[in-house]
Amino acid sequence: DQQVKQNSPSLSVQEGRISILNCDYTNSMFDYFLWYKKYPAEGPTFLISISSIKDKNEDGRFTVFLNKSAKHLSLHIVPSQPGDSAVYFCAARADSNYQLIWGAGTKLIIKP
Amino acid sequence: ETGVTQSPTHLIKTRGQQVTLRCSSQSGHNTVSWYQQALGQGPQFIFQYYREEENGRGNFPPRFSGLQFPNYSSELNVNALELDDSALYLCASSLGGVNEKLFFGSGTQLSVL
Repeated sequence: DQQVKQNSPSLSVQEGRISILNCDYTNSMFDYFLWYKKYPAEGPTFLISISSIKDKNEDGRFTVFLNKSAKHLSLHIVPSQPGDSAVYFCAARADSNYQLIWGAGTKLIIKP
Repeated sequence: ETGVTQSPTHLIKTRGQQVTLRCSSQSGHNTVSWYQQALGQGPQFIFQYYREEENGRGNFPPRFSGLQFPNYSSELNVNALELDDSALYLCASSLGGVNEKLFFGSGTQLSVL
């Protein structure tokens, strides 16, 4: 039973345009969400997070939106740059549990 | 400040063998988590150690065990290896606390033949 789902295995976006990566979750106990980026042969790198008490968090070119009623979050990257090409993972955590539950990842390809 | 380092980077074992993977946490971090990432999937939580004690475990059998040392480095031990144990094993360190972000090593790629 996948509690965190990233339904798009890959996404191709033109350089300079907006990249939107989506994530859905089923567990209403999740109250903290994170996005990680992973390059080949490297471990995941933290990108941005959001608490369930917020609906938006912004950090430079990266913005995460949370829609609790729809159990959906999205990561917006504006403008997209070639270095953004990587696999992006959505992860969630319930306050009572330290473990992160991860989606399967979306491979983002930025085209020049 | 040194990051999270894992050794070895690659490992090949045969079914039934035992393996030990090692992780040095980032300077100042007292919490280590281990994750298993199968091909095409997201990482799955194995367990977490805080100040040398296991304080959280995912849905993995007892043949997956670990240790954390006084310097906060950690080992993951897997006994009686099975073919399905072939995966990338990731170690992450943090300062502890529910919302502390994790810092990951590059992982150990384990192949079980």
